[in-house]
Amino acid sequence: EIVLTQSPGTLSLSPGERATLSCRASQSVSSSYLAWYQQKPGQAPRLLIYGASSRATGIPDRFSGSGSGTDFTLTISRLEPEDFAVYYCQQYGSSPGFTFGPGTKVDIK
Amino acid sequence: QVQLQESGPGLVKPSQTLSLTCTVSGGSISSGGYYWSWIRQHPGKGLEWIGYIYYSGSTYYNPSLKSRVTISVDTSKNQFSLKLSSVTAADTAVYYCARVVPAAILDYWGQGTLVTVSS
Repeated sequence: EIVLTQSPGTLSLSPGERATLSCRASQSVSSSYLAWYQQKPGQAPRLLIYGASSRATGIPDRFSGSGSGTDFTLTISRLEPEDFAVYYCQQYGSSPGFTFGPGTKVDIK
Repeated sequence: QVQLQESGPGLVKPSQTLSLTCTVSGGSISSGGYYWSWIRQHPGKGLEWIGYIYYSGSTYYNPSLKSRVTISVDTSKNQFSLKLSSVTAADTAVYYCARVVPAAILDYWGQGTLVTVSS
């Protein structure tokens, strides 16, 4: 089973700053099957990035994804007030199917 | 625009079966090309995938829950359903339904429904 680890657990930043979120897999993951989601309190997760680096429809270009193998990164170039949320990485593999990282909370400093 | 909406009891007694339904609008389950999934989130915790189903009825479950989970589809109602048997307090969570597109992307989600297991 592939385990995803996200760091840091919490990222305290100010609006306008750059956020760099890490997702590390316990073994190599196909980039095609690596996605990132944003979740705000009381809401369902929202797809941000798929295929490690492709933005989902309607996602602003301040969000970008990169990486391959076991190391993936979500970058928010300049934080807007609406970007303060929890971010999850997700991969798909043979077993147990979908797995999610524990999340990184981006909060206001 | 595809929309998904979960429905079902918000309170289930221990040892009973949790039953939820997801109604899909804005698209037909039977058109194919997508899988339909259930995911849950324990209070204040991360996301756990439960399983998914294709319109044909083929399913794939998380091995950790497989013995207790059944996902079914009713294409005539454009719905798919989740049954989780022998529930305990550890099954208290927000349950989401979602659409799975090729490359295992969860692109549309329901708003989620909280199910509490308590006597």
